[in-house]
Amino acid sequence: GAGVSQSPSNKVTEKGKDVELRCDPISGHTALYWYRQSLGQGLEFLIYFQGNSAPDKSGLPSDRFSAERTGGSVSTLTIQRTQQEDSAVYLCASSYRTGGTYGYTFGSGTRLTVV
Amino acid sequence: AQSVSQHNHHVILSEAASLELGCNYSYGGTVNLFWYVQYPGQHLQLLLKYFSGDPLVKGIKGFEAEFIKSKFSFNLRKPSVQWSDTAEYFCAVDFGGAGKSTFGDGTTLTVKP
Repeated sequence: GAGVSQSPSNKVTEKGKDVELRCDPISGHTALYWYRQSLGQGLEFLIYFQGNSAPDKSGLPSDRFSAERTGGSVSTLTIQRTQQEDSAVYLCASSYRTGGTYGYTFGSGTRLTVV
Repeated sequence: AQSVSQHNHHVILSEAASLELGCNYSYGGTVNLFWYVQYPGQHLQLLLKYFSGDPLVKGIKGFEAEFIKSKFSFNLRKPSVQWSDTAEYFCAVDFGGAGKSTFGDGTTLTVKP
């Protein structure tokens, strides 16, 4: 597609429920990233996929968080047993080869609110 | 620990004023450096980047940044700001070719018409 697409754009969920966030990167971009942005703070790295390599999961805050990337394209970030501190904007980005060299193209984000 | 610091959380300028936003990082090795901008209601977009060569980098909309290795800095500049430059600006660093960026906390720029 023309840009990075994320869905849903907004999600309100009850504490303890599971949520899935979806990211559709730019076609041909081999690298895909998830970050989250809490109110008034910078972007916190969560996970990084590069081609067929094992993902870099070093930023996932707990084992309630997981992500997968199917067929080298679409990615899903899953948060199990959501907590109020999970409320944030979850951003997906993709990059040609690596974002560390070429920079990221970001999606518009999913605003998650846990009540 | 590797970190990125943006000194100013909120900057307020009048139109035509000059802009300089500070960015410093903590790391002694090779870095790739970026500035991103988020205009109100829009998503983050890349403003400019440095990974080798001339340390003075020019980006979109008249912005430039200078990499000063000895100072571990990558400050963003614009000689004359416009109201439309009102946005949040993020500095980001890829440490040692890790392939992923660490972001600063951002600087909110408000330009008064």
